[in-house]
This record gives sequence, C-alpha cells and structure tokens, in this order.
Amino acid sequence: GQQVMQIPQYQHVQEGEDFTTYCNSSTTLSNIQWYKQRPGGHPVFLIQLVKSGEVKKQKRLTFQFGEAKKNSSLHITATQTTDVGTYFCAGLRGGATNKLIFGTGTLLAVQP
Amino acid sequence: DTAVSQTPKYLVTQMGNDKSIKCEQNLGHDTMYWYKQDSKKFLKIMFSYNNKELIINETVPNRFSPKSPDKAHLNLHINSLELGDSAVYFCASSRSGGGDTQYFGPGTRLTVL
Repeated sequence: GQQVMQIPQYQHVQEGEDFTTYCNSSTTLSNIQWYKQRPGGHPVFLIQLVKSGEVKKQKRLTFQFGEAKKNSSLHITATQTTDVGTYFCAGLRGGATNKLIFGTGTLLAVQP
Repeated sequence: DTAVSQTPKYLVTQMGNDKSIKCEQNLGHDTMYWYKQDSKKFLKIMFSYNNKELIINETVPNRFSPKSPDKAHLNLHINSLELGDSAVYFCASSRSGGGDTQYFGPGTRLTVL
C-alpha cells in the first residue's frame, strides 16, 4: 500500500543548530501537510503545500514541496527548546478515498 | 472552549473487556476520524465519517466499531480487548474530507492488561 516515509526517525541537536526532516512518498501527492506533536500532546497542524516546488516559511521553519510532488522537507533554523517534538508530514493521495496518509514522523530533541 | 474533546483521557482495562471512547467536536466540521498511535508513534487512520456516514474503513478488526449519532460526535467501541490494542487513540475532525486541515483531540491512552 501507499507509504510515506520520513528520515531521520530521530534527531538530537544542540540548541541553535539547524534541523531538517525529509518526507518521501511512494506515489504522487495532491498536497502535503505538516503537523507537530509535542511530547504527551496531540498533532497540531503547521502548514499545507499544494503546488509543485512550493516553498513556504513560518519564522524559523521552511517547508518545501518537491517538483514531482512525491517528497517534502521541513527545515528549522537555529533550533530552540520549544521546537522539541515529533514532526509528521501527511500526504493526500486524492482519488476516490481522498485519504491523508501520515508519515512515520521525526522526533526532534533539542539540548539547551 | 475545546474544539475536539475526547473522554476518557486514560483507560486501563483487562483483556477481554469491552470499552468505549467518546469524541465530540464543536467546530461545525462535517468529517471526523479515529487514529491509532502505537508505541513507535506511527499514526494510522482507522475510520473516517462524513456527516454521519462511514467513508474510510481501514483494515481494522471488526472488534472495533465506530458510531456517529450526529456529525459532531464520533464514538469508538472496542469489543474483547487484546493486549495489542494498547495505544493512544486520537479523534480528529476537518471541515470536509481529504485535504482539509485536521484538528486533533487530546487523545485517549488505552492500556490493556
């Protein structure tokens, strides 16, 4: 079945370092969403990308959707301890079921 | 004002028991979902309802039965609980199906002993 993989599974950084998580789909996606889940919390929507090659920024976070609409990335500049959590991409395949498939997630730990 | 609420937050029970988790959203959304998050943090969709109608039913054992009395509520009943059912169950809603932003509830941590 369709899979959305993320790498790395886990990343430990020092505060102030940059961080990137990559999301790869086995099939072309209609759009991609990113969610953040703090430890002990629930997933919270961050952003949605729709167009091929689209790049969006939210303060220190930069999101990119690949040209082929099969991959995406989230880059955090100068991480802070508040960035700790698991970051999920979620791809929409479209079609009859129009189902959002969540990626495997990347857990980010930030050491002060 | 909690947008998506779930009860209970924690549920500890014995194998073989039957339990229910309730979910309510006050966002006026048409679509609601149940997700299961296992110990490795994988989020898997179980069911999706649009305006009280089942639209997504993943490969879930038929011990799991969702019920949507109205479009603001989606409950999950689980029969004959097994050890492998231990997980965090999240309810979510979206304005309509598919690509709309999903709003998640706080989760219900189910532990089966």
